[in-house]
Amino acid sequence: ETGVTQTPRHLVMGMTNKKSLKCEQHLGHNAMYWYKQSAKKPLELMFVYSLEERVENNSVPSRFSPECPNSSHLFLHLHTLQPEDSALYLCASSQDIGKGANVLTFGAGSRLTVL
Amino acid sequence: GQNIDQPTEMTATEGAIVQINCTYQTSGFNGLFWYQQHAGEAPTFLSYNVLDGLEEKGRFSSFLSRSKGYSYLLLKELQMKDSASYLCAVLDSNYQLIWGAGTKLIIKP
Repeated sequence: ETGVTQTPRHLVMGMTNKKSLKCEQHLGHNAMYWYKQSAKKPLELMFVYSLEERVENNSVPSRFSPECPNSSHLFLHLHTLQPEDSALYLCASSQDIGKGANVLTFGAGSRLTVL
Repeated sequence: GQNIDQPTEMTATEGAIVQINCTYQTSGFNGLFWYQQHAGEAPTFLSYNVLDGLEEKGRFSSFLSRSKGYSYLLLKELQMKDSASYLCAVLDSNYQLIWGAGTKLIIKP
């Protein structure tokens, strides 16, 4: 496989459930990201990992918990979510962070619906 | 605050030319990106501008004026497959990406 792969593509969960989103990149990149995409809104950066260390946490509620076990894998653990958390969650990777022409490669996203 | 403005939606005709504008107000500037996102798919990189002027890549061109805080994406010889959302993003002085809300481009036959 190549690029950035996200699973599951679609997820429906109740507010009391616990689920996880998975992201895998086969590009040899050092940085990985979680973004939230809601209709007609700009992409919201949630978390950034560089070489498996978290370098950014943009005031995301604790009901979202990231995990980066190695530079190829990134998880987003979800628990006690709210209906307003329903959105498309995009994973991305890049060669590095803190540089100019730092192109992001995105996965196709996980469409989350919270009932 | 930091802000990126782009039109919400545009409509154009197959074979024609369309220009999608993006204006920005950010804390510093380290480059501007355009991404394309088809419905239900991943955003994909189109262009990166850091110096003023026009960069051409086949049917797509991207222009930047740093003094005006302005960029545009020019699409020529439009094809139905160009129907997508186009995302503008600016890299600020801290190398944080500031995103616009995207422009949905509808191509009609």
